[in-house]
Amino acid sequence: DQQVKQNSPSLSVQEGRISILNCDYTNSMFDYFLWYKKYPAEGPTFLISISSIKDKNEDGRFTVFLNKSAKHLSLHIVPSQPGDSAVYFCAAYSGNTPLVFGKGTRLSVIA
Amino acid sequence: SAVISQKPSRDICQRGTSLTIQCQVDSQVTMMFWYRQQPGQSLTLIATANQGSEATYESGFVIDKFPISRPNLTFSTLTVSNMSPEDSSIYLCSVAGPDYGYTFGSGTRLTVV
Repeated sequence: DQQVKQNSPSLSVQEGRISILNCDYTNSMFDYFLWYKKYPAEGPTFLISISSIKDKNEDGRFTVFLNKSAKHLSLHIVPSQPGDSAVYFCAAYSGNTPLVFGKGTRLSVIA
Repeated sequence: SAVISQKPSRDICQRGTSLTIQCQVDSQVTMMFWYRQQPGQSLTLIATANQGSEATYESGFVIDKFPISRPNLTFSTLTVSNMSPEDSSIYLCSVAGPDYGYTFGSGTRLTVV
């Protein structure tokens, strides 16, 4: 059973426009959510996170929204840049448990 | 955040052989994990490396295939034993701590031929 789901395997966005990456989860015990960005041949790098007590966290061009009742979170990137092209993983955990990852969404930002 | 050095960064191995991947952290960490990312798939947890005791394996992963050592709080190894082409993946070491969250090594890209 997949506890963290990213239903869109890929997304293409024009440079300068908004990218919205979505993530759904099933485990209501998760209390912390993270987004990672991964380039080919590199390990995932942390992008932004949000605790379950918040519904929004912003860091520069990146904003994460959490809707606990819908068990849904999204990552907004605005404006999108070609360097944002990568695979984005949504992840979640509770307490000291390891991260549980979604399958990732490949974002392509077209110049 | 913690800095992780993971070696080797990539390798091409013959089937039936074994490869040991090393993970060195620049500070003592409590939580250390090993993940695998098969082509086109998500990161899947293999096991939690426990200092001074046997690793805790996730469903579908066994110690005979993926022996793990964790002799101290800064170092761990993962061995992929008796390899087959299905073991071709990226293997990632990860650490977690209260001050810096989760951090990943750069990964080991393994190809089994």
